Amino acid sequence: DIVMTQSPDSLAVSLGERATINCKSSQSVLDSSNKKNYLVWYQQKPGQPPKLLIYWASTRESGVPDRFSGSGSGTDFTLTISSLQAEDVAVYYCQQYYSTPPYTFGQGTKLEIK
Amino acid sequence: EVQLLESGGGLVQPGGSLRLSCAASGFTFRNYAMSWVRQAPGKGLEWVSVISASGDDRYYADSVKGRFTISRDNSKNTLDLQMNSLRVEDTAVYYCAKDSIPYSNYQNWFDPWGQGTLVTVSS
Repeated sequence: DIVMTQSPDSLAVSLGERATINCKSSQSVLDSSNKKNYLVWYQQKPGQPPKLLIYWASTRESGVPDRFSGSGSGTDFTLTISSLQAEDVAVYYCQQYYSTPPYTFGQGTKLEIK
Repeated sequence: EVQLLESGGGLVQPGGSLRLSCAASGFTFRNYAMSWVRQAPGKGLEWVSVISASGDDRYYADSVKGRFTISRDNSKNTLDLQMNSLRVEDTAVYYCAKDSIPYSNYQNWFDPWGQGTLVTVSS
């Protein structure tokens, strides 16, 4: 099974500042035949289910603010929030869908306001 | 609008059984694989089980294999999870989640997720 590891576990960022969350997979999730990275990011606010933010590692879901961006390839990925807003306080999860099942998630990164 | 509504959660003793259901609407249910994902209190996300669009193929996490059974009724647009031999560590919110791409080979993400139903296993 592919193990997903996020860093840091928690993060405090000032409003308007950049937030960066990392995700590392134990093996590559890049399909060389189509050059796609099988990596998704979700946002989960308290008391709510996860919400899709970014898929194929860097494609923003419709309706997601453009301050959210995803990057990376192979085994190392990053979710960046360019200018943190109060409503971005949440736990963020990465998940691989390259070698499935099982689908595997990172442990989550809790993002708070400093 | 796609909607997934879970039901059936509750308090059950260790060793007991519970059946969860997920009512789907707003999309062609029979075309999509469906999963159950759980989240223990204060913890992260753990995939539990997936069933193919037709219902012919089913996969389980090692942690529930042999105890849980996933099923679906494409005529009623419902997804079920039969949970037997429940353990304290099965305590979690259980979400049903739709595959993002129809007729998938399981290589896709979950979107959307239901609101979840809480299962508490305790004596």
